[in-house]
Amino acid sequence: AQSVTQLDSHVSVSEGTPVLLRCNYSSSYSPSLFWYVQHPNKGLQLLLKYTSAATLVKGINGFEAEFKKSETSFHLTKPSAHMSDAAEYFCVVSRGGATNKLIFGTGTLLAVQP
Amino acid sequence: DSGVTQTPKHLITATGQRVTLRCSPRSGDLSVYWYQQSLDQGLQFLIQYYNGEERAKGNILERFSAQQFPDLHSELNLSSLELGDSALYFCASSFHEGTEAFFGQGTRLTVV
Repeated sequence: AQSVTQLDSHVSVSEGTPVLLRCNYSSSYSPSLFWYVQHPNKGLQLLLKYTSAATLVKGINGFEAEFKKSETSFHLTKPSAHMSDAAEYFCVVSRGGATNKLIFGTGTLLAVQP
Repeated sequence: DSGVTQTPKHLITATGQRVTLRCSPRSGDLSVYWYQQSLDQGLQFLIQYYNGEERAKGNILERFSAQQFPDLHSELNLSSLELGDSALYFCASSFHEGTEAFFGQGTRLTVV
């Protein structure tokens, strides 16, 4: 079975400081992993994806995530937070195949203080 | 713009009624997913279709049903509506199953 755990429900950072949003996954298969962002009253937008190529994945808006198999983690980082980064972030795991579905984490709400 | 179109954007209806939510996937995408997002339950997977066939079911109530048509658009039917069904309903599509999905802007359903 697959699952994903987002370790923090809320993260607050100051503008210009680094962002770290933590995600651990569980999968019996080689997973595909994604991060999505949802701004208030908007749909979900794909930030980045890992599909067994390079373990360090670069996404949009300066975000990166590193796949660490030994730690079963896929944490999302950004060197310097911007006010526009304030949103909810979802970590997602997928196995692929005929019975696949995307499994969403519970989300991390990122607040960026001026 | 993700290329996934959901209609209507907003829907207000009374308890006991039935509504249909519509989703047009991105051009070329074969898989459609439906999700429900509410404040107390978070983002819940409802159901997935691939090229017209049901592939996976999540926490979908028996009062809810969905289908994917030959032109690949999908509809989510919600019947005997209750106050607790008020939520944002998202549709997403992907080319293959399990690859990255692209989300529509959602339909906000309010049951009064």
